[in-house]
Amino acid sequence: TQLLEQSPQFLSIQEGENLTVYCNSSSVFSSLQWYRQEPGEGPVLLVTVVTGGEVKKLKRLTFQFGDARKDSSLHITAAQPGDTGLYLCAGFNTNAGKSTFGDGTTLTVKP
Amino acid sequence: DTGVSQDPRHKITKRGQNVTFRCDPISEHNRLYWYRQTLGQGPEFLTYFQNEAQLEKSRLLSDRFSAERPKGSFSTLEIQRTEQGDSAMYLCASSSGLYTDTQYFGPGTRLTVL
Repeated sequence: TQLLEQSPQFLSIQEGENLTVYCNSSSVFSSLQWYRQEPGEGPVLLVTVVTGGEVKKLKRLTFQFGDARKDSSLHITAAQPGDTGLYLCAGFNTNAGKSTFGDGTTLTVKP
Repeated sequence: DTGVSQDPRHKITKRGQNVTFRCDPISEHNRLYWYRQTLGQGPEFLTYFQNEAQLEKSRLLSDRFSAERPKGSFSTLEIQRTEQGDSAMYLCASSSGLYTDTQYFGPGTRLTVL
């Protein structure tokens, strides 16, 4: 079984602060996705990373895939209340044939 | 809107009743996934289809659960003799099944079993 561990589980910060959340595994993934989910809604795709060491930016969000493709991080600069939500990572392994999801980081950004 | 759709969005039922949920994937996607999610947890894999073939079922999927994708397009998930422990968000996702298997989710069906 491939496990993805996300940390921290909960994070509460003030508007304007920076933060980083992590997604770690002992398994190698072909690709990794990050999603944001709001209460009562389905997860919304933020990014897919494929290459070890890859860095992708989406406005104030920076995603990095580890060199060995076993871990990833999401850094948010100058967080805003609209960033509040559950951040999920999912790793896909072609041998397993399907994706594995972490339990997410619940982020609260206070005005 | 050509995203993944799910119906109904909310379902309240009494224990012991049967319920059926529908998922319409993105039209060109050949993979369709069902997940269950409880509060504060990530999605738990239930089953997935490649076209009309059901390729894998989780051990979480008891014999009260059945899923179909008869023509390789929409899918249904049926729960028979519902129990209070079945209360959860049921999510459907689709993907093109290519190298990254990037999945796109529907809005989910929130099931409450009284």
